[in-house]
Amino acid sequence: GAVVSQHPSRVICKSGTSVKIECRSLDFQATTMFWYRQFPKKSLMLMATSNEGSKATYEQGVEKDKFLINHASLTLSTLTVTSAHPEDSSFYICSARDVRDRKSRGYTFGSGTRLTVV
Amino acid sequence: AQKITQTQPGMFVQEKEAVTLDCTYDTSDPSYGLFWYKQPSSGEMIFLIYQGSYDQQNATEGRYSLNFQKARKSANLVISASQLGDSAMYFCAMREPLTGGGNKLTFGTGTQLKVEL
Repeated sequence: GAVVSQHPSRVICKSGTSVKIECRSLDFQATTMFWYRQFPKKSLMLMATSNEGSKATYEQGVEKDKFLINHASLTLSTLTVTSAHPEDSSFYICSARDVRDRKSRGYTFGSGTRLTVV
Repeated sequence: AQKITQTQPGMFVQEKEAVTLDCTYDTSDPSYGLFWYKQPSSGEMIFLIYQGSYDQQNATEGRYSLNFQKARKSANLVISASQLGDSAMYFCAMREPLTGGGNKLTFGTGTQLKVEL
């Protein structure tokens, strides 16, 4: 079945630095990838939709300059948290769309990245 | 407005018993899809079951079944013969259109299930 690899699984960074999170589709090409943010014991909130070769579409209220998304190839999307602050600490999870995956109806999730900004 | 509503923040069930997790949704689109995911403490999202709006029969996947009541806009998950490993957060999600084309998943607030001996 479709596999999405997300790295790193955990990262601790200093306030003011930038952090890059990678999301790779391992055995399929993903024209669309999704980035979610999840606070503890809360729901997944869609941050942006990433389309290969074009600009990401951000949800209302998400700072485009803070959360930079790049989808340069059909198998890789990256989320860069720029000038991170403690309030950016959260669980970030990506999802990729494999239209061939009938079982999960195409939405495969990475294992998530727990970001802690100190 | 909340598109997906899960009214049970927490549920307890005894091992080997069945449990129903509630989910109601709101959409005016005749074509939609409903999903259930399990999220253990490790964080990954595990797909459990899918129900399409035009599907005539309720979806089943092993111990998971979906009680789909279209007129009431509800899509409750039934887990039969609960196991300790079923303890996790469960999310209901709906596929809805994205502005500009494509689809996205919108999630409910989740239900924390605890299976007890």
